Formats: sequence, C-alpha cells, structure tokens
Amino acid sequence: NAGVTQTPKFQVLKTGQSMTLQCAQDMNHNSMYWYRQDPGMGLRLIYYSASEGTTDKGEVPNGYNVSRLNKREFSLRLESAAPSQTSVYFCASSLQGAVYEQYFGPGTRLTVT
Amino acid sequence: RKEVEQDPGPFNVPEGATVAFNCTYSNSASQSFFWYRQDCRKEPKLLMSVYSSGNEDGRFTAQLNRASQYISLLIRDSKLSDSATYLCVVKDNTNAGKSTFGDGTTLTVKP
Repeated sequence: NAGVTQTPKFQVLKTGQSMTLQCAQDMNHNSMYWYRQDPGMGLRLIYYSASEGTTDKGEVPNGYNVSRLNKREFSLRLESAAPSQTSVYFCASSLQGAVYEQYFGPGTRLTVT
Repeated sequence: RKEVEQDPGPFNVPEGATVAFNCTYSNSASQSFFWYRQDCRKEPKLLMSVYSSGNEDGRFTAQLNRASQYISLLIRDSKLSDSATYLCVVKDNTNAGKSTFGDGTTLTVKP
C-alpha cells in the first residue's frame, strides 16, 4: 500500500497563475483533508471531506477550492495564486469518526513569486 | 486564544534526560487526542493516541486530564533520534472528526 500520495512534490508559481494539487489514498478511508503549514507553525485546515460527495470549509479556505473526485482522490485548486499562499500543503485521510488518527501524504512545497 | 496551545520550546536536552511536553485545549467537547511527531520537512506521523486512563508505549507516556483540558507527553531516556517537533492534536466529536493542531514543541537531544 502506498498510503497517501501527493503530486507534485514541489511547485513554483507566479502570482495569478492557477494550479491543482492532487491527493490520493489507497486505505479505503472515508474522510480526507487539506492542510497548509507555514514555517514554525502548526497545520491549519483548509478544506475537508467527511465522505465521498461532501466537502466543507476549514479554518483558512479563502483562495482555494476542492473536489472530492471519488473515494480515493481529493484535489485542491488555487485559482489565482498569491504570495501569501506560499506554504507546504499536506493532504491527509482517516476512517470516519472521532477516534481515528489521520495519515498524511509527503506534502507539496509551493512557492508563489 | 488558540484552540490548542503548546509550549513552543525549543527544548534542548542531553541524551538520557526525561522531558515533558504540555498541551492545553479550549473546546470542552473535544473527543479524541493524539501526539504526532514531525521531522524536519516531513509529514506528521502518529506517535500515540491519548486515552483517558493514560497510556504508555515504551519510553513514551501520554496523559489526559479532561477536567483541566490538558494533555501531556513524557519522554524518558531521551535518544538522539527523538529530536523532532511534537504536535498535540485534538479531534472534535463530529462525524468528520476535524482535527486542530498545536503549533508544536521542538525537541533537540544532544550527545
């Protein structure tokens, strides 16, 4: 099992460009999440999907959109990138319910110039 | 006030030392609690879940005090390989199980 995979690993964008970050999990998890992590800080939730067909905003959703394509895949789109979106983006998944831990992908390091 | 607060450290300790990290949370309805470990430029990985009765895994002991809304992690006999950032994570009781992360406590174990 690959667990949670993310593509790309690194990306440099110019201000105003758009891109989609891809995430897939092979653990048959219902819930999936997108976080960003800025230097010296914890993870902040951007969007999450409790189950296939549902998505909800997290703590910092502005400037992002998501698509839960199927049970395995959850993508994050930046429509018009801004320097403030320079960050490391982590995708995670878990079984549905409060008691289950999350499993993380390796992250995408995004720089917006 | 942040929902989950941790002492950022850094903690610099010699090998073999015992070190304790604390974490407080503000949402009394929080359901589940975890400690994650994050190595530099890597993804967080689960270190241990935290149960009401307290739990131990080798050199690591986690405690939960629901009345004080407080979680702790104790590391005994520190190893060089324990150097990392430790993240306190609180999960709510919704079906989605949204997690709130502390900013992390950085530990450096020195020879």
